[in-house]
Amino acid sequence: AQRVTQPEKLLSVFKGAPVELKCNYSYSGSPELFWYVQYSRQRLQLLLRHISRESIKGFTADLNKGETSFHLKKPFAQEEDSAMYYCALAMNRDDKIIFGKGTRLHILP
Amino acid sequence: DAGITQSPRYKITETGRQVTLMCHQTWSHSYMFWYRQDLGHGLRLIYYSAAADITDKGEVPDGYVVSRSKTENFPLTLESATRSQTSVYFCATRGGVSGTGELFFGEGSRLTVL
Repeated sequence: AQRVTQPEKLLSVFKGAPVELKCNYSYSGSPELFWYVQYSRQRLQLLLRHISRESIKGFTADLNKGETSFHLKKPFAQEEDSAMYYCALAMNRDDKIIFGKGTRLHILP
Repeated sequence: DAGITQSPRYKITETGRQVTLMCHQTWSHSYMFWYRQDLGHGLRLIYYSAAADITDKGEVPDGYVVSRSKTENFPLTLESATRSQTSVYFCATRGGVSGTGELFFGEGSRLTVL
């Protein structure tokens, strides 16, 4: 069955430290992966998608098909990175997009 | 230019009542989605639609009904609300060529079922 797994519910990191939010997926077709972020009192918004291969707000993510992973990384955490992060899988074979359970990132001063 | 709007933003209802959450978009995106957001469960797909008059079940469709008679509207109806349907509901559209773009989310509708 198709599935997105984010193993950490909460991740606390000190400001300036590296951040890695884990995401693993299960899908037999060709996956399209995204990271969405929800800041306090704001709408969910796209942070990254694997096909664009760009860095947004210092975050990067690489699709590893061998490990079926799409981990989100940032070398130096900033306080404004505190938010809820969701990994999402687009299953283009049947147009569904499903999300993981999310990881709350808390940046400590 | 609102893009995607949901109404009502907040709703309190009683068990057994019918509730309809509205979702309206101004972009003419083909794809629209309904998700519910719950602590410990993240975002779960309820229903989605590839175009007007085409709808499909998502991960948790039981207890919900959708329709899409016009491209711009995608209402979600709880025919007989239950306490387990207390949640925040998000509508989203997907643009791009053949619906391959990013998702755009509404602000959410917070529903409480007493």
